[in-house]
Amino acid sequence: SYVLTQPPSVSVAPGKTARITCGGNNIGSKSVHWYQQKPGQAPVLVIYYDSDRPSGIPERFSGSNSGNTATLTISRVEAGDEADYYCQVWDSSSSYVFGTGTKVTVL
Amino acid sequence: EVQLVESGGGLVQPGGSLRLSCAASGFTFSSYWMSWVRQAPGKGLEWVANIKQDGSEKYYVDSVKGRFTISRDNAKNSLYLQMNSLRAEDTAVYYCASSQGLGDGMDVWGQGTTVTVSS
Repeated sequence: SYVLTQPPSVSVAPGKTARITCGGNNIGSKSVHWYQQKPGQAPVLVIYYDSDRPSGIPERFSGSNSGNTATLTISRVEAGDEADYYCQVWDSSSSYVFGTGTKVTVL
Repeated sequence: EVQLVESGGGLVQPGGSLRLSCAASGFTFSSYWMSWVRQAPGKGLEWVANIKQDGSEKYYVDSVKGRFTISRDNAKNSLYLQMNSLRAEDTAVYYCASSQGLGDGMDVWGQGTTVTVSS
């Protein structure tokens, strides 16, 4: 089965840039979606199709995807960005796969 | 307001059954693929199953195949998950979520319903 690997944690100071990676075999050939989940809340879609932002998501959130790594970038990080982040793809085996998740801590 | 509301969770013994429901409002339910996603306590997200707009296609994660059945009633704007032969490892918060197409991002989520499998 397809595996998506994320770093368990990323720490970033307010106002700086956080980059969260999502590694998978030839992930660049797939469409990647990203979710933000705060404690006790349902996930929220923040990036779809590698780099598109749903309405209401700040421009500070951006995404890229190439080769074996997809990346979610959060610019000018704010305290409210502290959350767990998950990448997701639809695999050729007819299943959605979520990444292992990354906890973003704002210092 | 676009909304998904899950119900039907609870405590069930191993080997038992439970039926989850998800009520949709504020959007054209029949135009969307629908999924169930679960999250075990302290763990990450796991996709469980999804179903096409007209119910003609259904997909499942391997761990629930043969035990869980996803279905929908577009006339009632409702999604269901029939869970049989439940195991301790099925304990999780279960979310329903919508997406426009197969493989698309899930742009609307419910608040989740908790399923606990324990004796």
